[in-house]
Amino acid sequence: GENVEQHPSTLSVQEGDSAVIKCTYSDSASNYFPWYKQELGKRPQLIIDIRSNVGEKKDQRIAVTLNKTAKHFSLHITETQPEDSAVYFCAASSGGYQKVTFGIGTKLQVIP
Amino acid sequence: SAVISQKPSRDICQRGTSLTIQCQVDSQVTMMFWYRQQPGQSLTLIATANQGSEATYESGFVIDKFPISRPNLTFSTLTVSNMSPEDSSIYLCSVDTSVADTQYFGPGTRLTVL
Repeated sequence: GENVEQHPSTLSVQEGDSAVIKCTYSDSASNYFPWYKQELGKRPQLIIDIRSNVGEKKDQRIAVTLNKTAKHFSLHITETQPEDSAVYFCAASSGGYQKVTFGIGTKLQVIP
Repeated sequence: SAVISQKPSRDICQRGTSLTIQCQVDSQVTMMFWYRQQPGQSLTLIATANQGSEATYESGFVIDKFPISRPNLTFSTLTVSNMSPEDSSIYLCSVDTSVADTQYFGPGTRLTVL
């Protein structure tokens, strides 16, 4: 089955700096890669996703890149703000109602 | 995205008892999923619930311990049976909207077993 590795497990950045979280996956059949943000005591919320036919996707301060050959994908947050502080999960799926496999999560702390 | 609700939001239960968690969606969805999230941990899939068929369980989870119902396309239940303190966790349902393979999560049920 799919295995998703995520690092770092914790990340502290100064407000205004960029944050990068990296993930690798094992199953070459995976073609859908969502990222979730989970604030303390809240449900995971989808923040951005990317499919295997796209190399990069941006949404305001958030971007995701995908290297299918190397089987890794990354989340980039620019101009970080204190409200970006949360746990971020990467995930991989082969789509078509198949299960989603999650990484271990990265706890991001943005220091004002 | 779908609007998903769960009941109860939290509960404190005694060892040996069972708790049924309900998940309700405001639109028809093909697949519903049940996850467990232990404190500070990632999301672990318990089972996939497809309407009209038996749930599919992941390794380490069995039907006798976590029976699931999926009576229609907007509702599912997960029962945590014969509970022990090790079952203390957050249980979340999610749905696949079928639009773009995206899963959306319910608010979760925080279970404490004494």
